[in-house]
Amino acid sequence: AQKITQTQPGMFVQEKEAVTLDCTYDTSDPSYGLFWYKQPSSGEMIFLIYQGSYDQQNATEGRYSLNFQKARKSANLVISASQLGDSAMYFCAMREGAPNTGNQFYFGTGTSLTVIP
Amino acid sequence: DAGVTQSPTHLIKTRGQQVTLRCSPKSGHDTVSWYQQALGQGPQFIFQYYEEEERQRGNFPDRFSGHQFPNYSSELNVNALLLGDSALYLCASSFDEQETQYFGPGTRLLVL
Repeated sequence: AQKITQTQPGMFVQEKEAVTLDCTYDTSDPSYGLFWYKQPSSGEMIFLIYQGSYDQQNATEGRYSLNFQKARKSANLVISASQLGDSAMYFCAMREGAPNTGNQFYFGTGTSLTVIP
Repeated sequence: DAGVTQSPTHLIKTRGQQVTLRCSPKSGHDTVSWYQQALGQGPQFIFQYYEEEERQRGNFPDRFSGHQFPNYSSELNVNALLLGDSALYLCASSFDEQETQYFGPGTRLLVL
């Protein structure tokens, strides 16, 4: 089974509108972390937001928020007030494992977001 | 505060050759992970180094090896290159395995 599933290969959003990028994950480990990264065409992965498995509240970072639904194993990214510069690939990732056990990251296949003027 | 740096930015090799990619972590970070990202795919975890030892490894053959130096910088070596090794190789650093990983700009490797 895939550890991270992103079912939206491509998304379009009007400038200044909000958009939700979907992510579901699969783990039986109680300790894990969920991340979203943005990858522009230049290739560098830019960290956006983090949610720990024990965090009670949804994470927010500026215009980014993470809709964490633990029972459904989903960690959707919400971008508010989209800007043209938000056009990029977006990857959901999961760090699995307890401290000092040797963690690794799993990435989804990404969602290409295009912001329309 | 310098971020993660990688060298070279681009590289062209032929099948059967060997390649070494280099990574300097973000200041204060002690853990380095390497990823391979094929065109149109998400990054795939190769391995992670901490305290100069390989701590975790993904599903990659032994042709992929690495090293971490006392200053926390790292190298990724790939032997006997195959056409399928053509990809963007990303290095990420973090303070400890549990913390957020920050990525470098990557090295684009083309194997002909």
